[in-house]
Amino acid sequence: GEEVAQTPKHLVRGEGQKAKLYCAPIKGHSYVFWYQQVLKNEFKFLISFQNENVFDETGMPKERFSAKCLPNSPCSLEIQATKLEDSAVYFCASSQLSKEDEQFFGPGTRLTVL
Amino acid sequence: DQQVKQNSPSLSVQEGRISILNCDYTNSMFDYFLWYKKYPAEGPTFLISISSIKDKNEDGRFTVFLNKSAKHLSLHIVPSQPGDSAVYFCAASVTSYDKVIFGPGTSLSVIP
Repeated sequence: GEEVAQTPKHLVRGEGQKAKLYCAPIKGHSYVFWYQQVLKNEFKFLISFQNENVFDETGMPKERFSAKCLPNSPCSLEIQATKLEDSAVYFCASSQLSKEDEQFFGPGTRLTVL
Repeated sequence: DQQVKQNSPSLSVQEGRISILNCDYTNSMFDYFLWYKKYPAEGPTFLISISSIKDKNEDGRFTVFLNKSAKHLSLHIVPSQPGDSAVYFCAASVTSYDKVIFGPGTSLSVIP
């Protein structure tokens, strides 16, 4: 597609439950990124993929967070045993494999942990 | 340690006048700089970018200036329009396909 698609738009989980978020990058884009926006403005990088391979995972919490980008499937970000502080908007972005290509962002998934 | 700083949380400008949004960075490895615009409940939308080999890039009403020695960039919007009212994020990366480090954002209000 021509836009980055993210589902669901909203997700509510009780503390300790699992949360799974999905992202379909723009067709032809080789890189996928996940960011977490806590409160109103602060963005935090989580992980990036080059095709189905992890490219940079320096922002991923070591425990509870995992992500995948498998061929012919949407990418996913999974949080095991959610905590209150995981409440945030999670944005997915994709970009092409060429110099000076910006990242295109999806509309985000708002996760609320109660 | 905030690598990208936007020291003005908000800015109000009269319609038709120039809006100047400022950004400073600390990491000299950054080679690629971007501005994103964000409306509530939407993802950031790319506005304009500049690589470190340039000092100016223009696209319609939007111009980005880069002063590498001062580690400073700015976004100029001329003329400002009410539809420009949004939060503007300055961002930087080491390469164009690397993770993007965002600043905290500046909320721009353009008053009709």
